[in-house]
Amino acid sequence: ILNVEQSPQSLHVQEGDSTNFTCSFPSSNFYALHWYRWETAKSPEALFVMTLNGDEKKKGRISATLNTKEGYSYLYIKGSQPEDSATYLCAFRVNAGNMLTFGGGTRLMVKP
Amino acid sequence: SAVISQKPSRDICQRGTSLTIQCQVDSQVTMMFWYRQQPGQSLTLIATANQGSEATYESGFVIDKFPISRPNLTFSTLTVSNMSPEDSSIYLCSAELAGSYEQFFGPGTRLTVL
Repeated sequence: ILNVEQSPQSLHVQEGDSTNFTCSFPSSNFYALHWYRWETAKSPEALFVMTLNGDEKKKGRISATLNTKEGYSYLYIKGSQPEDSATYLCAFRVNAGNMLTFGGGTRLMVKP
Repeated sequence: SAVISQKPSRDICQRGTSLTIQCQVDSQVTMMFWYRQQPGQSLTLIATANQGSEATYESGFVIDKFPISRPNLTFSTLTVSNMSPEDSSIYLCSAELAGSYEQFFGPGTRLTVL
């Protein structure tokens, strides 16, 4: 059983604050690490797929880093906006075509 | 990318009945999956839907309870059989394009069993 953990479970920030959360995963048999953003009643939206140790990816105000040797990834949001409020999920993949093992998610709430 | 639709978006069902959820993808995909998120839990894979053959179920999930069909590359159904309140969850369909690392998700079906 693969253990993927996310912290914190929930986070309340003020508009304009920058924030980050953590995803930890097994450091062996790594293939890819996925980040998703999930708003209620919508499809989980793919943010990043990260495959190489040291990867850094950016999409607007959101960025992510990856450390496969120690088994963690950070997701950063710069200057949080109320529309960033969502649950952010990470998912670990052992090899192509196999299932994604999800963490429990970090629920972000941004207050105007 | 792929756009995935699911029907119904939500339902409230009585104990002992069954519900079939449909998933349609707008692109030809290689892999299709069904996930479940119980209240307060992580997304958990139920099974991989295989075209033209029996689905591959994860530990803890069986075909009698969650029969799955995938008659072609772009369509799959999941049935939740003989439902109990413990089946109240969000059920999501996902798909993976050939040669892509990404899995795309449908909007989910929110099921409440009374």
